[in-house]
Amino acid sequence: AQKVTQAQTEISVVEKEDVTLDCVYETRDTTYYLFWYKQPPSGELVFLIRRNSFDEQNEISGRYSWNFQKSTSSFNFTITASQVVDSAVYFCALSEAKEYGNKLVFGAGTILRVKS
Amino acid sequence: GAGVSQSPRYKVAKRGQDVALRCDPISGHVSLFWYQQALGQGPEFLTYFQNEAQLDKSGLPSDRFFAERPEGSVSTLKIQRTQQEDSAVYLCASSFKEPSYEQYFGPGTRLTVT
Repeated sequence: AQKVTQAQTEISVVEKEDVTLDCVYETRDTTYYLFWYKQPPSGELVFLIRRNSFDEQNEISGRYSWNFQKSTSSFNFTITASQVVDSAVYFCALSEAKEYGNKLVFGAGTILRVKS
Repeated sequence: GAGVSQSPRYKVAKRGQDVALRCDPISGHVSLFWYQQALGQGPEFLTYFQNEAQLDKSGLPSDRFFAERPEGSVSTLKIQRTQQEDSAVYLCASSFKEPSYEQYFGPGTRLTVT
């Protein structure tokens, strides 16, 4: 069975600090996808990134970066120079890579509070 | 373009009432998923449609939960004889073509059963 663990329930930082959100996953599949979603107070889940299990290259998008390490089954997310607008709940998720029906398995989420 | 929409955004039901939650996916999206998000938790899978076919309903918590997508576009999640434990946010997501495309989520329907 697939499982995603986000051990950090809540993180508080001061604006401009860097922050890393941890994600550890379990799966027996050799091919799978990993995701990060952001859920702001409005409630809508916003897609941030998807990673194929065969692609272990780290990715950077503006202030966001992701570190995928298959050896430790981790897919961590770093926000550089955090801003108040980054305050939200962040979810890591995992899915199979079948032709269809790839339901997402989510972690419990990490609440990020960025204070000015 | 328009995203995934859900209605109503908020629903209060008395225990024992039936409710119907609607999802309008992005036009042309073949795959449609329903998830349930309890307070303080991550979303959990309920059911999956490929066009009008319900191919996976393994996450439906009881036979009081029923979903349909008769014409392969709009979907309705129905909960019969609501219980307090049904209180949650119900999220709908659609995807154009798996597995290459991500799931886009709607704003959710917050159901409160009193």
